[in-house]
Amino acid sequence: AQKVTQAQTEISVVEKEDVTLDCVYETRDTTYYLFWYKQPPSGELVFLIRRNSFDEQNEISGRYSWNFQKSTSSFNFTITASQVVDSAVYFCALSKGNAGNMLTFGGGTRLMVKP
Amino acid sequence: DGGITQSPKYLFRKEGQNVTLSCEQNLNHDAMYWYRQDPGQGLRLIYYSQIVNDFQKGDIAEGYSVSREKKESFPLTVTSAQKNPTAFYLCASRKTAVQETQYFGPGTRLLVL
Repeated sequence: AQKVTQAQTEISVVEKEDVTLDCVYETRDTTYYLFWYKQPPSGELVFLIRRNSFDEQNEISGRYSWNFQKSTSSFNFTITASQVVDSAVYFCALSKGNAGNMLTFGGGTRLMVKP
Repeated sequence: DGGITQSPKYLFRKEGQNVTLSCEQNLNHDAMYWYRQDPGQGLRLIYYSQIVNDFQKGDIAEGYSVSREKKESFPLTVTSAQKNPTAFYLCASRKTAVQETQYFGPGTRLLVL
């Protein structure tokens, strides 16, 4: 069975602080995919990144960066110089490497960035 | 514009009533999914469909039904058998290549009167 754990239910930071959102996953599959989605107050899930299990390179996209470590089964997300617009709930998700591509979601981390 | 639309944005259900949530996509995606989100929690899969006229149960299918008569459409019916239907419902779609990403619609919030 697959499982995704986001231990931080809520994080509050002041604007311009850096913040890291943790994601730990469990799977017996050798081929799998990891995702991060952002859910702003409007409710729609916005795709941020996809990573496959064979690619452990870290990725940076503007103020966002992701650290994937298979040794610790973690896929952490860092926002540098946070902004108020980053306030949202962030979900980490895991899918098997098969055609069904069903996603298993973590419980989400609510990030509040205060001005 | 290409995208996924869900309607209505808010839906009210009376006791014993069946209600249907609409999900349409014009992205030419093959697979479509329905998820339920309860307050403060992650998403759970209700049903999914990889091709027209075929669908499979997810983790919490009891009390729900779906159909997939057209590639673009995947309506979800919340039946009277679903005793706790109040939740936020999200529809998603993707191309069926293994590595493709699921993209989500804006969601429908269902409330019981």
